[in-house]
Formats: sequence, structure tokens, C-alpha cells
Amino acid sequence: QLQLQESGPGLVKPSETLSLTCTVSGGSISSSDYYWGWIRQPPGKGLEWIASFYHSGSTYYNPSLKSRVTVSVDTSKKQFSLNLNSVTAADTAVYYCSRLSPYYTDYDYYYYVDVWGKGTTVTVSS
Amino acid sequence: DIVMTQSPLSLPVTPGEPASISCRSSQSLLHSNRYNYLDWYLQKPGQSPQLLIYLGSNRASGVPDRFSGSGSGTESTLKISRVEAEDVGVYYCMQALQSPEITFGPGTKVDIK
Repeated sequence: QLQLQESGPGLVKPSETLSLTCTVSGGSISSSDYYWGWIRQPPGKGLEWIASFYHSGSTYYNPSLKSRVTVSVDTSKKQFSLNLNSVTAADTAVYYCSRLSPYYTDYDYYYYVDVWGKGTTVTVSS
Repeated sequence: DIVMTQSPLSLPVTPGEPASISCRSSQSLLHSNRYNYLDWYLQKPGQSPQLLIYLGSNRASGVPDRFSGSGSGTESTLKISRVEAEDVGVYYCMQALQSPEITFGPGTKVDIK
């Protein structure tokens, strides 16, 4: 069974870069068809999609975060990463890594989030 | 970008009674293949979200049949026929028309009266 585990600093200073890693177990990032992604949840608020990417290239970013976000993947380590620069208190949140699986419909397919990590809390504070 | 809204944002419920949550999108989520690209997730307290309903009306594996989804286009509804105590949490709708670029609604918090 595929499992995802986030890791990284729990405290980041304002204006610095938030860096998180997601380790995949029980499966491969290089598996065809799947997208992988990051989603966050500020304290007491809802879910915000950050980015989705395919292991061999295609990457999609939330337009509101695009200028500050980079995702990368290391298939040999079975890890993918999130970098968010120039952070402020508004970036304080629980960050989830996720897998998006395809579902095939007539003439098309779409992606839904079928696996979530447990989430890691990141606080932006001096 | 597709904007998602939900109502109500808070829903106190009585066990055994029905409950309903509405979700609206700024664009139609009805694909030309007639599927409604709208999913529902439940985040139980202290847990990661879990998929409840996909493509508007299909229950995910293991989801009790008291949960049902309906609607198409810009309006969808999640119904719980008889609420149980384990159903408390925050329910999110999510547009998948532009997946893997996804957007969640603000969430509806369901708790017991």
C-alpha cells in the first residue's frame, strides 16, 4: 500500500525559503499515469492546492503561488520536494503531499487525490 | 480559474437525521462526456482528507451508502441520509475539470448538536 511521509523544518523565518520533502513508500514515483502534488491547510482554514507534477516533466502551479514555488523529484530516492521562497506568516500551514490518480471516463480521464500524507506543520515566525 | 463555494459553512446535525451540503462552481463542471467533474472529500478531526464521492455521484471504495452525491453543471449536493457520530468533520467539494490543477471549496464543518 502506497504511503507518503512529509518531512522538513517546522519553523521557518519570514523572507526565507520553506523546503519540504515527501518520501514515497510502497510504490514508485516513476509509475506511469500518476501525478504527485502538494496541498496545504492554514490553521483553521480550508485546503489550498499548491502544485501537481508528473515524474517526467509536466508541472502545474497554483497561479497565486507560482512565482514563489518550485517542485522537484528524485526518483532514485523515491522523494519529491517543495520549495516556497519569500515566506510570510500567511504561509503558516499544514503541508500535505499527495498522489493524484487517473480515472478513465468516456473519451477522457481526470485526476483525483487518492493518497495523502499525514501532513507536516510549518510555522513562519521570527 | 474555477472558484468553488459551499453552503452552509457550518452544519450542526442530529444523529439519525439527514444532512445536505451544497457546492457551487464559477464554471460548469459538466464535461462533454456528460460526467460531472466534482469530487467530495471528508476531513475527520486530526486526519488527512479522504475521498468520499468522485465524478459527482460515485461513492469511493468503502464509503457507506448513506452518502450520496448529485447535481451537475455549477451546482452539486452531498447528502447524508442518516447522520452518524463518525460523520463529523469538514466536507470539501473539489473541481476536477482542470485536473491536475484542482480547486477546493471552503469546506463545511459538520458537528453533532
